Amino acid sequence: NAGVTQTPKFQVLKTGQSMTLQCAQDMNHNSMYWYRQDPGMGLRLIYYSASEGTTDKGEVPNGYNVSRLNKREFSLRLESAAPSQTSVYFCASSPNQGTKGANVLTFGAGSRLTVL
Amino acid sequence: AQSVAQPEDQVNVAEGNPLTVKCTYSVSGNPYLFWYVQYPNRGLQFLLKYITGDNLVKGSYGFEAEFNKSQTSFHLKKPSALVSDSALYFCAVGPRGYIPTFGRGTSLIVHP
Repeated sequence: NAGVTQTPKFQVLKTGQSMTLQCAQDMNHNSMYWYRQDPGMGLRLIYYSASEGTTDKGEVPNGYNVSRLNKREFSLRLESAAPSQTSVYFCASSPNQGTKGANVLTFGAGSRLTVL
Repeated sequence: AQSVAQPEDQVNVAEGNPLTVKCTYSVSGNPYLFWYVQYPNRGLQFLLKYITGDNLVKGSYGFEAEFNKSQTSFHLKKPSALVSDSALYFCAVGPRGYIPTFGRGTSLIVHP
């Protein structure tokens, strides 16, 4: 049982380049999330998808787009990368966001992105 | 709005001693509270949660957390620290079912 799988693990981009971070989960979860982690800032929510077919902005969505491709997959795209987007990106999933019960997230191992 | 404060960037403790990692929160209504741990170069892992009931919650790896409603706190504790407990610890708060808000994290260093 792989849980949440992110690719790539590492990526170096030049300013202005584009790229897509891929995320897949095999736990039949309905909800998926993208966070970025920066030193001293903790985790900040970029986008989330409460269920297949829906996406919503989080705390820091500017410069990013997402696609919920199907129930398993949720990708994050940087259209024109900037040095401020240098960060570690985490994908997470949970059974059901916004419904009864505590929302426990399962995280992927992270993708370290450097924008030069 | 909901928020979490972890007042200590780093906590140092000797192996075998008890440890406490502090967390205070702000949320409308009854809180759902969580602790996650992040080992180097890994994603966050769920440790424990508080929903309702007993104020002392037990979780993975011998950790426990004490919910204090009057002080709006949810401190993480362990009676005897291990070197392998050294990691980054995140407190999170959420209203029922919603997306949790994470604190900035506290680095726990357990010295041999």
